Amino acid sequence: ETGVTQSPTHLIKTRGQQVTLRCSSQSGHNTVSWYQQALGQGPQFIFQYYREEENGRGNFPPRFSGLQFPNYSSELNVNALELDDSALYLCASSIPGQQNEQFFGPGTRLTVL
Amino acid sequence: KNEVEQSPQNLTAQEGEFITINCSYSVGISALHWLQQHPGGGIVSLFMLSSGKKKHGRLIATINIQEKHSSLHITASHPRDSAVYICAVRSSGNQFYFGTGTSLTVIP
Repeated sequence: ETGVTQSPTHLIKTRGQQVTLRCSSQSGHNTVSWYQQALGQGPQFIFQYYREEENGRGNFPPRFSGLQFPNYSSELNVNALELDDSALYLCASSIPGQQNEQFFGPGTRLTVL
Repeated sequence: KNEVEQSPQNLTAQEGEFITINCSYSVGISALHWLQQHPGGGIVSLFMLSSGKKKHGRLIATINIQEKHSSLHITASHPRDSAVYICAVRSSGNQFYFGTGTSLTVIP
């Protein structure tokens, strides 16, 4: 039990729609990272937020955006969904001073039809 | 070429066997993680390494920074160890790179 929760657990959308995925970290975890994991692949780093500012970004287009809130929750927003966006989306949070130790949520499985 | 390469991709072992999973990376790193992912997606962080060796129960992780290589060892393997094991690195530029994982099946 990592104390990191994600919602929803499963989601089905159609191409062109927009989606918001949510992550709730443990109190005091001020760094959150989001990852995309396609079926049979390793996770891919989307971006990281630290103290509500983007603090690193992987090779994902601008239609992937995020927000981090003072209550240690965060959102991943994806606009103009494409079929290839179907994946498991994972968030992971870190403790101040120990940013390398990440605690993963259970993930949200997104299916785009 | 991926920044993180793992081998083997798939591994089947008999209960009790000693298991080694290897990870090589090509970027400068601040830390390397070994992660365990069970069916359904949940990921658990097993180890975080920046040098040397760590041991938790039957699991041992080593890293050689000069050779850019890490290994995860499982002693006295058990069917409950069956999972996907993922090597991930945090680069000096604050990017995270993941291997594609090693799928381990331990047969009773």
